[in-house]
Amino acid sequence: DADVTQTPRNRITKTGKRIMLECSQTKGHDRMYWYRQDPGLGLQLIYYSFDVKDINKGEISDGYSVSRQAQAKFSLSLESAIPNQTALYFCATSDSSSEQYFGPGTRLTVL
Amino acid sequence: SQKIEQNSEALNIQEGKTATLTCNYTNYSPAYLQWYRQDPGRGPVFLLLIRENEKEKRKERLKVTFDTTLKQSLFHITASQPADSATYLCALPNSGGYQKVTFGTGTKLQVIP
Repeated sequence: DADVTQTPRNRITKTGKRIMLECSQTKGHDRMYWYRQDPGLGLQLIYYSFDVKDINKGEISDGYSVSRQAQAKFSLSLESAIPNQTALYFCATSDSSSEQYFGPGTRLTVL
Repeated sequence: SQKIEQNSEALNIQEGKTATLTCNYTNYSPAYLQWYRQDPGRGPVFLLLIRENEKEKRKERLKVTFDTTLKQSLFHITASQPADSATYLCALPNSGGYQKVTFGTGTKLQVIP
């Protein structure tokens, strides 16, 4: 089984809808991250969490929120989706070594 | 935050040759630098980490150099194979916390049989 899983893998939704993307990991890492990737722009950090009680905004947190339900689970929500949030979303984890392990990604399309 | 420059143009090389990719950064000198591989539609996969006090790091056919004076890292793949075709990203830690990194936009490598 994969160390970092994301659900759903693909999602098409409409403007204004609330969407939740979920991430689970079995690596036992404390640190978890949410990124979005757009063509030509690279990975941009949305939110990150260094333990269950720690949540921090990244570079592009506006329009997003997160929840760290447990060490192994980190969810990303779009409260009211808009078309420019159409992107590929990745969850990642790391331990103190700083090497990041990425999930397979969620392709989100907002119409 | 760190500004990272990777050649946005794709690099095409013949199978068996050595591929060399460049990562330049413009702000503070990082404690380390990472390289990742990303295949289309998939998450990046960690390849190598090189620390500021290391000039060179090797792993199988991969070699990374780190020149803190030039603010540059070179990533080499020797005896390249078509299976090496992918986008390669470099990543550097942010100054505010070494567990956050900034990723470059990546360079797409195409190895031609």
